[in-house]
Amino acid sequence: AQTVTQSQPEMSVQEAETVTLSCTYDTSENNYYLFWYKQPPSRQMILVIRQEAYKQQNATENRFSVNFQKAAKSFSLKISDSQLGDTAMYFCAFLKNGEKLVFGKGTKLTVNP
Amino acid sequence: EAQVTQNPRYLITVTGKKLTVTCSQNMNHEYMSWYRQDPGLGLRQIYYSMNVEVTDKGDVPEGYKVSRKEKRNFPLILESPSPNQTSLYFCASSPRQDTGELFFGEGSRLTVL
Repeated sequence: AQTVTQSQPEMSVQEAETVTLSCTYDTSENNYYLFWYKQPPSRQMILVIRQEAYKQQNATENRFSVNFQKAAKSFSLKISDSQLGDTAMYFCAFLKNGEKLVFGKGTKLTVNP
Repeated sequence: EAQVTQNPRYLITVTGKKLTVTCSQNMNHEYMSWYRQDPGLGLRQIYYSMNVEVTDKGDVPEGYKVSRKEKRNFPLILESPSPNQTSLYFCASSPRQDTGELFFGEGSRLTVL
């Protein structure tokens, strides 16, 4: 079974700085998808970014980008120019075709003014 | 507005008193799923549904029931709630299971005394 590990239960960053959240996963598959979800204190979870394993280019969405290292099975999320609204729980998730989405346990990020 | 709506948002109940948490989506999504979120455990899938009248167990189905009689609705039923079912519950939907792009409801905080 696939597993997703987020080794940082909590992190903090100063406003306007850059922070990187780590995620590793375990799979023997070659084709899969990876995701980062954000859960703000208001609790509704939203998709931040998605990466297809067959794509070498790292996905980017505005201030959010990933560092996808397929051989190392690593999928970190970089948040540039951190804003107070980035304070949230962040979940890494893995999906293999035909199976369900598997979530990590989350990293609580606090952006300090 | 595209959304997933859960009710109630907050509920305090007592052991053994049957309750239903409703979930409705207006995006004509085929796939729907229930998760529970507990501190240190992340998101765990309870049940999911690939389409109308098709439901299956997730990782932690014990003590829960679901039904999918209409495409838009996917209620979660606790026939005899117990304190270990105190949790934050999320309903999510997706056009298909294999996209991994879930749309989440705002969550239902359930306390069982």
